[in-house]
Amino acid sequence: AAGVIQSPRHLIKEKRETATLKCYPIPRHDTVYWYQQGPGQDPQFLISFYEKMQSDKGSIPDRFSAQQFSDYHSELNMSSLELGDSALYFCASSPWTGGGKKAFFGQGTRLTVV
Amino acid sequence: AQTVTQSQPEMSVQEAETVTLSCTYDTSESDYYLFWYKQPPSRQMILVIRQEAYKQQNATENRFSVNFQKAAKSFSLKISDSQLGDAAMYFCAYRSEITGTASKLTFGTGTRLQVTL
Repeated sequence: AAGVIQSPRHLIKEKRETATLKCYPIPRHDTVYWYQQGPGQDPQFLISFYEKMQSDKGSIPDRFSAQQFSDYHSELNMSSLELGDSALYFCASSPWTGGGKKAFFGQGTRLTVV
Repeated sequence: AQTVTQSQPEMSVQEAETVTLSCTYDTSESDYYLFWYKQPPSRQMILVIRQEAYKQQNATENRFSVNFQKAAKSFSLKISDSQLGDAAMYFCAYRSEITGTASKLTFGTGTRLQVTL
């Protein structure tokens, strides 16, 4: 079965640089979520989209922005990177209705800021 | 706001034995979903089991089952016949069932499960 695809899997950036993370949801999943997981921490919700519109917003820094495109893939743009942004970034997708609203996660993008 | 609490930072179980991971949550909502996710060393987040709050029957997925006590706001995970591959971090998660929202998952802090020979 198709899963959530995230790219790149690993990313190394320098401070103050910009990074773009991509997420391709499971086919027919119209809702995308972004989470940030620091070392030894639980995943923290950043932002979600439904039908290309932002649906909910969590603890996402103003330096970050995201959008969902017409093909439902989503991109997380991170600017002015800081050392503290080093983390594992997960994308998850789920159907808006049905399927028990199960959210399936991608394998994550490991971002290292040096 | 909803909160999820996992009071056991680490647990250990012998292979083939049974272990129960605890989770409690706080909410004022009546409709919601509860999940257990497994995060092995690869750090992939894998859905283990899901429970709908309106269902009294406890969910079961092969060797994994839950004990859902809605009044007590408790949602424990029982792993039977533990295997080495069960070693991972286990996260309990809550999801609201509010119509019209892409409600997010709220996670507990996790329980690291070690499986010994």
